Amino acid sequence: AQTVTQSQPEMSVQEAETVTLSCTYDTSESNYYLFWYKQPPSRQMILVIRQEAYKQQNATENRFSVNFQKAAKSFSLKISDSQLGDTAMYFCAFTDQAGTALIFGKGTTLSVSS
Amino acid sequence: GAVVSQHPSRVICKSGTSVKIECRSLDFQATTMFWYRQFPKQSLMLMATSNEGSKATYEQGVEKDKFLINHASLTLSTLTVTSAHPEDSSFYICSATTGSHYGYTFGSGTRLTVV
Repeated sequence: AQTVTQSQPEMSVQEAETVTLSCTYDTSESNYYLFWYKQPPSRQMILVIRQEAYKQQNATENRFSVNFQKAAKSFSLKISDSQLGDTAMYFCAFTDQAGTALIFGKGTTLSVSS
Repeated sequence: GAVVSQHPSRVICKSGTSVKIECRSLDFQATTMFWYRQFPKQSLMLMATSNEGSKATYEQGVEKDKFLINHASLTLSTLTVTSAHPEDSSFYICSATTGSHYGYTFGSGTRLTVV
């Protein structure tokens, strides 16, 4: 069975600093899709970034970038120039087939302080 | 962008009554919708997957007679919690997809409190 593991329940960072959230997954598939979602206190799930496994280039979205290591089955999220608005719970998610349910990790609660 | 509207955002009901939660895709046709349950500071637990016009597929341990899911059209799925009990109190979130790996859009969630 596919699993997603986030080993950092909580992290904290100061404004303007960089933080990296870890995610590992387990699958026997060669092609799949990985996502990072942000859930702020409003509890609305917001897509941060996504990566297709067949693409070797790491995805980036403004201050957010991933380090995708396919062989190691690792998919970490780097947040640069952290802002107070980045305070949220972050979930790593996986699916091996378009349109099937996402499998979520347990989440990492990130607190950004001034 | 794709928008999913979920209503109500909060509901309080008495034990033994039923409550219906609606999930509507506003600007796209959702071939598949997912229902999740989330406890405070925990992850999303998949409850069921519904395809338009088909019976929902429930995850192991989810009571299909208690959590009735209807996906009658490509834009609407409903979750009805029947004979609700305090232990059903939780945050319920729907998600809709067009079938593309890019197209996972989430509703804003419903906080259900059973008293």
